[in-house]
Amino acid sequence: DTEVTQTPKHLVMGMTNKKSLKCEQHMGHRAMYWYKQKAKKPPELMFVYSYEKLSINESVPSRFSPECPNSSLLNLHLHALQPEDSALYLCASSQDSATDTQYFGPGTRLTVL
Amino acid sequence: LAKTTQPISMDSYEGQEVNITCSHNNIATNDYITWYQQFPSQGPRFIIQGYKTKVTNEVASLFIPADRKSSTLSLPRVSLSDTAVYYCLVGDGAIAGGSYIPTFGRGTSLIVHP
Repeated sequence: DTEVTQTPKHLVMGMTNKKSLKCEQHMGHRAMYWYKQKAKKPPELMFVYSYEKLSINESVPSRFSPECPNSSLLNLHLHALQPEDSALYLCASSQDSATDTQYFGPGTRLTVL
Repeated sequence: LAKTTQPISMDSYEGQEVNITCSHNNIATNDYITWYQQFPSQGPRFIIQGYKTKVTNEVASLFIPADRKSSTLSLPRVSLSDTAVYYCLVGDGAIAGGSYIPTFGRGTSLIVHP
């Protein structure tokens, strides 16, 4: 199974809502990533978890809160987002380092009203 | 951190070979070069990875000269379904130590015409 799944596929939320994005992989990968991608722009790294520990936080605002409950799951908790946070949120995983193939999920299309 | 530069866009026709070059002048000794393909509203998909000389798989070839300051992704006999954005990434993958941050450049938008 070389698949990374993400739920939901689409999410519309207001600026006062709290929601969560979920990502799951069953490839035994120990590195997991969250990226944000705006239209016609490249993916921008937000967070990296390595062996279930937060390894990299690319100066992401605190309204985005990652969580790695176990080696297969990665969540991104959202609270008090702004309209400019509307984007495609991509999850990826790799064996244990970024030079290994990163497998990306299909993404969650987030719209903040 | 090695910065990459690629052409913003390229056009080709079905059946032609397409070569996309990525410049990475300050590539470090331990850095690998990885290429991804992305279709609209989908996550990027791994194409190929290399360190030096030439690497070939079932979908593409990667040519890396001796100085490793650039690399060329070669797509043989493209079809309409190869229309996508292609990204090259450079890094040593030392995530645990925090020294490597996967950074996508602007990518090359390839359009294949009938």
